[in-house]
Amino acid sequence: KAGVTQTPRYLIKTRGQQVTLSCSPISGHRSVSWYQQTPGQGLQFLFEYFSETQRNKGNFPGRFSGRQFSNSRSEMNVSTLELGDSALYLCASSLPSGAPDTQYFGPGTRLTVL
Amino acid sequence: QQPVQSPQAVILREGEDAVINCSSSKALYSVHWYRQKHGEAPVFLMILLKGGEQKGHDKISASFNEKKQQSSLYLTASQLSYSGTYFCGTENNQGGKLIFGQGTELSVKP
Repeated sequence: KAGVTQTPRYLIKTRGQQVTLSCSPISGHRSVSWYQQTPGQGLQFLFEYFSETQRNKGNFPGRFSGRQFSNSRSEMNVSTLELGDSALYLCASSLPSGAPDTQYFGPGTRLTVL
Repeated sequence: QQPVQSPQAVILREGEDAVINCSSSKALYSVHWYRQKHGEAPVFLMILLKGGEQKGHDKISASFNEKKQQSSLYLTASQLSYSGTYFCGTENNQGGKLIFGQGTELSVKP
């Protein structure tokens, strides 16, 4: 099975712009979670989507939003970019099965905000 | 609430053992352990469930103490390939969000 894919892998944007990141989960996985990873903060949970609905949400401002499509692919959008948004954005997919599920991470999108 | 991991970093010689702890201030439903090598995505190691027992494969095992709301990851006879950052992730309820600790950087030297 193909793993989780994320596009693009690298992005450079300037302050004030907006950006959309894409995540394609493993075939058959219906849950997609997004994380922001920075050296000082570790892995910070952004949100989780399951069957096109946001199931869980982290403590990020409203500039961060996401959605999931009927094929389980997910997009994350960040509007009005700030310097502090520079980070590695990881998505992870899981079944879910009703029991705690293994999350499979994609390679991430490295966002640099100048 | 983000779980707290300790230590933040550890340096080992090949063959030595290490323990990484993960503590939460809230009741836990499950604990997940991942390892991330530099420049790569986190890779799943194991999940421990509330009411579950100690788990392990190869020389890496983990325990889950519900009363203390903590989990420990045990690395025995460490190998160079064990180097990386170890993250614990915790769920407070079934279907809840998976929140990760700040990570423990492990370096194994020859």
